[in-house]
Amino acid sequence: SQKIEQNSEALNIQEGKTATLTCNYTNYSPAYLQWYRQDPGRGPVFLLLIRENEKEKRKERLKVTFDTTLKQSLFHITASQPADSATYLCARNRGGADGLTFGKGTHLIIQP
Amino acid sequence: SQTIHQWPATLVQPVGSPLSLECTVEGTSNPNLYWYRQAAGRGLQLLFYSVGIGQISSEVPQNLSASRPQDRQFILSSKKLLLSDSGFYLCAWSQSWGLSNSPLHFGNGTRLTVT
Repeated sequence: SQKIEQNSEALNIQEGKTATLTCNYTNYSPAYLQWYRQDPGRGPVFLLLIRENEKEKRKERLKVTFDTTLKQSLFHITASQPADSATYLCARNRGGADGLTFGKGTHLIIQP
Repeated sequence: SQTIHQWPATLVQPVGSPLSLECTVEGTSNPNLYWYRQAAGRGLQLLFYSVGIGQISSEVPQNLSASRPQDRQFILSSKKLLLSDSGFYLCAWSQSWGLSNSPLHFGNGTRLTVT
């Protein structure tokens, strides 16, 4: 089965530094990966999508990479701020079926 | 703009009682609709999805069911709740028109506690 693995432990980063979150997938390469942000008690909010033929995608302070050799996507937040503290979810398409398969998420804490 | 509404926000129900959670989407037509559950310490689990009225695909065998009586309405039900049904239930929609990579847009969820 297709799996998405994220480091579910909390990641503590000092304000102003770059936070890097990792998403690893198993089996065949997904056509695309998506990243979401989830705040406590709220639904996830879509951030970025990257296709397998794209090496990198940027949106303001966010950057996502996709390495099909390593079967890995990295999510970077530059110049991190306490307001960036949240859980970040990685998701892959399910190949032939609708919906996404999500990782458990990484809890990011930006310390002032 | 499109919006998605889920209710209630929180719910406490005894074991064996019925369940009905409702989700509606506004500002779009013929969306794909999804029910996910998020249990503590676990990722989002896809329960059901629908590509059209009356069309429901079930991903996980369980005592839950889903229905789509109208284009933009998605209902999650159970006849008899189990303790293991406790969790955070999220409804989501995405664009159809063959865009299989469309992002999901989630509601704010229902926190269900079965006692």
